Amino acid sequence: GNSVTQMEGPVTLSEEAFLTINCTYTATGYPSLFWYVQYPGEGLQLLLKATKADDKGSNKGFEATYRKETTSFHLEKGSVQVSDSAVYFCALSEGGNKLVFGAGTILRVKS
Amino acid sequence: GAGVSQSPSNKVTEKGKDVELRCDPISGHTALYWYRQSLGQGLEFLIYFQGNSAPDKSGLPSDRFSAERTGGSVSTLTIQRTQQEDSAVYLCASSLAGRGLNEQYFGPGTRLTVT
Repeated sequence: GNSVTQMEGPVTLSEEAFLTINCTYTATGYPSLFWYVQYPGEGLQLLLKATKADDKGSNKGFEATYRKETTSFHLEKGSVQVSDSAVYFCALSEGGNKLVFGAGTILRVKS
Repeated sequence: GAGVSQSPSNKVTEKGKDVELRCDPISGHTALYWYRQSLGQGLEFLIYFQGNSAPDKSGLPSDRFSAERTGGSVSTLTIQRTQQEDSAVYLCASSLAGRGLNEQYFGPGTRLTVT
C-alpha cells in the first residue's frame, strides 16, 4: 500500500539556520504530494503541494520539489524563524481522496 | 468565511459508553473526511464521503466505528462501546471535491479521552 516516511524529530535549530526535513514515499501510481503544518494549539494547515514530477511547491519561504526518481519530497527553508516552530507532516494523495500522512516531524527553533 | 467546525472540542467518557462527534464542513464543500491523530498511530484516515456516493469506509478500525453524513453537509462519527485505545484527536476535513488536487481544510479536532 501507499506510505510516507519522514525523518524523526525533534529537529532543533537556531534562528536563521537552514532547514531540511526529509520525506520519501511509496505509491503504486502518481500521487499528489503535500506538506501540512500544525502550529501549537492550532489545526492542520496546508503548507504547500505538488501534483506531478519536477513540480516545486512553495509558500512562506518553504519549498519542496517532487522527485519521482528518488520518490522524495523534502521540505526546505533557507532561514527559519522562531514562529516556524510546529509539527510538519508530509502526505500523499492517490486516486483523488484520502491523505496518507507521515509520522510528523517536530521543529523547534531557538532565538 | 467560516471554516470547518467540530464539536465538542473535548470529550471525556467512560470505557464502554457510546460517543458522537460532530463535524460541520465548509459550505459548498462536497467531500468530507474523518481522520484520527493518536500518539501511537500518527494521523490515520478513517472514512470519506463524496456527494451522494457510497462512503469509503476502508479506514474504520472496527465495526464499533460508524459515520453518517446527512443532507450532504453535517457529519457525525459514532464510536460504540468505547475502549481506551480509542483515545485520540478526531479530525474532520472538507474539500471542494474528492480530488487530490483540492486542498483539504481541517477542523480543530475533538480530543476524546476514554477512562
